[in-house]
Amino acid sequence: QSALTQPPSASGSPGQSVTISCTGTSSDVGHYNYVSWYQQHPGKAPKLMIYEVTKRPSGVPDRFSGSKSGNTASLTVSGLQAEDEADYYCSSYAGSNNLVFGGGTKLTVL
Amino acid sequence: EVQLLESGGGLVQPGGSLRLSCAASGFTFSTYAMSWVRQAPGKGLEWVSAVSGSDGSTYYADSVKGRFTISRDNSKNTLYLQMNSLRAEDTAVYYCAKWNRGWYYYGMDVWGQGTTVTVSS
Repeated sequence: QSALTQPPSASGSPGQSVTISCTGTSSDVGHYNYVSWYQQHPGKAPKLMIYEVTKRPSGVPDRFSGSKSGNTASLTVSGLQAEDEADYYCSSYAGSNNLVFGGGTKLTVL
Repeated sequence: EVQLLESGGGLVQPGGSLRLSCAASGFTFSTYAMSWVRQAPGKGLEWVSAVSGSDGSTYYADSVKGRFTISRDNSKNTLYLQMNSLRAEDTAVYYCAKWNRGWYYYGMDVWGQGTTVTVSS
């Protein structure tokens, strides 16, 4: 199963919005609404930010939002803050009991 | 406090074996599906395996199928990963993670701190 495609990097200034894309296929992102997003700070474990495309776990700021169109899912971070600087990974159920991750996007807050 | 604590990582020669453990606390372990996810040095996340909470069904990535075995002991609130025929490309930090609901539903909402596996001669 091929990894989902994410841009290697993204950036924005404090207060701005940035969107990270996650492109899969009609067999994974395009077929299932089981897309999640994880935030990972250096040397730390990943943290769930979005699940089922658009849902936020309790405790995750509403500055983080998710969406999907066709085979591409997106994570938008609004009102960028310094602590949002991290790596972000998408994942999707890919059928046949397989889970696939994206390659990750390094978000820099300028 | 909900917590996962991995152990068992280390240095092993190619072709060798290792068993990872993940001790869970703060939640009803038997209710939830669990997974192992790994991260090679400087690389992204890779799903390795999952086990359901309900009937113990197991699932594997193609890269480890036939070499790794996931299991759980609900009486001990512990998740395991038996790794055999290890290869250099298995070198990674291995995280255990709890699914928020069933396997592949609702995302992995609790993660351990990771344990490092190095496969090298």
